Amino acid sequence: DGGITQSPKYLFRKEGQNVTLSCEQNLNHDAMYWYRQDPGQGLRLIYYSQIVNDFQKGDIAEGYSVSREKKESFPLTVTSAQKNPTAFYLCASSTPSKGEGQPQHFGDGTRLSIL
Amino acid sequence: QKEVEQNSGPLSVPEGAIASLNCTYSDRVSQSFFWYRQYSGKSPELIMSIYSNGDKEDGRFTAQLNKASQYVSLLIRDSQPSDSATYLCAVNWSGGSNYKLTFGKGTLLTVNP
Repeated sequence: DGGITQSPKYLFRKEGQNVTLSCEQNLNHDAMYWYRQDPGQGLRLIYYSQIVNDFQKGDIAEGYSVSREKKESFPLTVTSAQKNPTAFYLCASSTPSKGEGQPQHFGDGTRLSIL
Repeated sequence: QKEVEQNSGPLSVPEGAIASLNCTYSDRVSQSFFWYRQYSGKSPELIMSIYSNGDKEDGRFTAQLNKASQYVSLLIRDSQPSDSATYLCAVNWSGGSNYKLTFGKGTLLTVNP
């Protein structure tokens, strides 16, 4: 079955530590996205990538980094510079179209907490 | 700043009733609209897409789009307790990247048995 796999499901970060969240998709989608969701809040875009080896900052990119070396993979690193990393992190993907915007499909998410 | 506004709720309806969820957006050039359902602790799930003015029906769900008034709504007929979730409205803005969506904060729906 095609889908988006995020791992781990739960992650704990120590002070000063960088952690990496994995996102893999087998939908053959070109575009991938990372969102952060805080309790009672909507989704805020961290980074997105439209094509391999290219990515753009979203609305809240500070303290995060990404790479896009393969079409299937878009890992997110939460660096020690992100002082409030506790949140639900969601990875999504979509396929481009010439006209209308396309819906995004989400993985199951990773919950990150500070130890 | 392009915005998507939703009433946070909670919206409480009895089982079997029609639930009406509304979403307004700030930019007239938006072109694509999506409704997602998010159960507590889970990721969003796409339930409806709508691209042109009017109604679009899919089972118990109807999406309504009025671009002149800049709102999109979701009607859930014969509401069931299993429909209790947060409903997120998302908008794609034309004229920019057709990859990006802007999400509202969501409306919490509770269907009471």
